[in-house]
Amino acid sequence: DTEVTQTPKHLVMGMTNKKSLKCEQHMGHRAMYWYKQKAKKPPELMFVYSYEKLSINESVPSRFSPECPNSSLLNLHLHALQPEDSALYLCASSQVQGGLAQDNEQFFGPGTRLTVL
Amino acid sequence: AQTVTQSQPEMSVQEAETVTLSCTYDTSESDYYLFWYKQPPSRQMILVIRQEAYKQQNATENRFSVNFQKAAKSFSLKISDSQLGDAAMYFCASTSGTYKYIFGTGTRLKVLA
Repeated sequence: DTEVTQTPKHLVMGMTNKKSLKCEQHMGHRAMYWYKQKAKKPPELMFVYSYEKLSINESVPSRFSPECPNSSLLNLHLHALQPEDSALYLCASSQVQGGLAQDNEQFFGPGTRLTVL
Repeated sequence: AQTVTQSQPEMSVQEAETVTLSCTYDTSESDYYLFWYKQPPSRQMILVIRQEAYKQQNATENRFSVNFQKAAKSFSLKISDSQLGDAAMYFCASTSGTYKYIFGTGTRLKVLA
């Protein structure tokens, strides 16, 4: 299984709603990532988890709250979002070997297209 | 700051022809990796090809090959025998530290039948 799955595919939410994005992989990868991608732009890294611990937070606003319940799952909890947060949210995973993930391919999920009204 | 530059926002190629996408990068790291990722419209991003910076030999994957010029910090992607399914946004990326990718701005490739 070389797949990263993400649910839901599409999400529309109001600025006062609370919702969650889910990502799952069964490749035994120990690094998992959240990216935000605006149309026609490259992905922007938001968070990295390594061995279920938060390793990188790219100064993301607190209205985005990541969670890694186990080595296969990654969630992104959303609360009080702004219209400018509308984007494609990508999850990715990669192996970590010898403490390094840099030489390993990141496998991307199909993304959740989020619209904030 | 580390940067990756893709100077061609859009390219077109005739089916069965060859096209080269350009990428230059700047890094202060001695050990790094370079990638080309493909993102078709409304489909997920997949790895096309990877180059380890300490390897002089250019990577190849079937119809895809790279021209890696380390001194010039250049990493171009050549697609031979272009197919309609090659139409996508192509992102060049360089590793930065243990986990991060620095992505270029992307090149949209159109394949003409």
